[in-house]
Amino acid sequence: KAGVTQTPRYLIKTRGQQVTLSCSPISGHRSVSWYQQTPGQGLQFLFEYFSETQRNKGNFPGRFSGRQFSNSRSEMNVSTLELGDSALYLCASSFLVGDSYEQYFGPGTRLTVT
Amino acid sequence: DQQVKQNSPSLSVQEGRISILNCDYTNSMFDYFLWYKKYPAEGPTFLISISSIKDKNEDGRFTVFLNKSAKHLSLHIVPSQPGDSAVYFCAAYINAGNMLTFGGGTRLMVKP
Repeated sequence: KAGVTQTPRYLIKTRGQQVTLSCSPISGHRSVSWYQQTPGQGLQFLFEYFSETQRNKGNFPGRFSGRQFSNSRSEMNVSTLELGDSALYLCASSFLVGDSYEQYFGPGTRLTVT
Repeated sequence: DQQVKQNSPSLSVQEGRISILNCDYTNSMFDYFLWYKKYPAEGPTFLISISSIKDKNEDGRFTVFLNKSAKHLSLHIVPSQPGDSAVYFCAAYINAGNMLTFGGGTRLMVKP
């Protein structure tokens, strides 16, 4: 079974621009979560989607948004980029059945804002 | 308020011996607990999880133990291998909350 895939893997943008990152979950997984990873803050939760609905959102400004499509693929968008948005953005898909819950992370998109 | 804590920032173990990584939590509402292995600048790799209704789960060299009364869980790696050297994170999940809460991580070094 293929893992979580994220595109692009690397991205360089300029302050003020916007960016869209894409995530394809593991087949059969309907929940997709997004995280921001920085050396200083560690892993911070952005939002979680299930069946095209955002179920939870972390403490990030409105410039960060996301969506999920009917095939469970997800995108996140960051508008008006700031230097502090430089980070590794991780997508994770999860599977809950009975007494088992597993969440798998993708390789991430490394965003550099200059 | 840190709901999930890993109080040992690092652990050094000899190859072939057992590695025991510990994690404490404060929220009794957590439904599941997960362990991840992580290398720098990469995403976490899922290792094993356990439901709050169980006290043990095993997968190959990895076993997770859960003590609900003590709000404590541990990951045992037997036997430890040099390739196990990485940072290990425990995480907790509330089904209704829909997000993982991570501990601060423990760096494991397995010496040949």
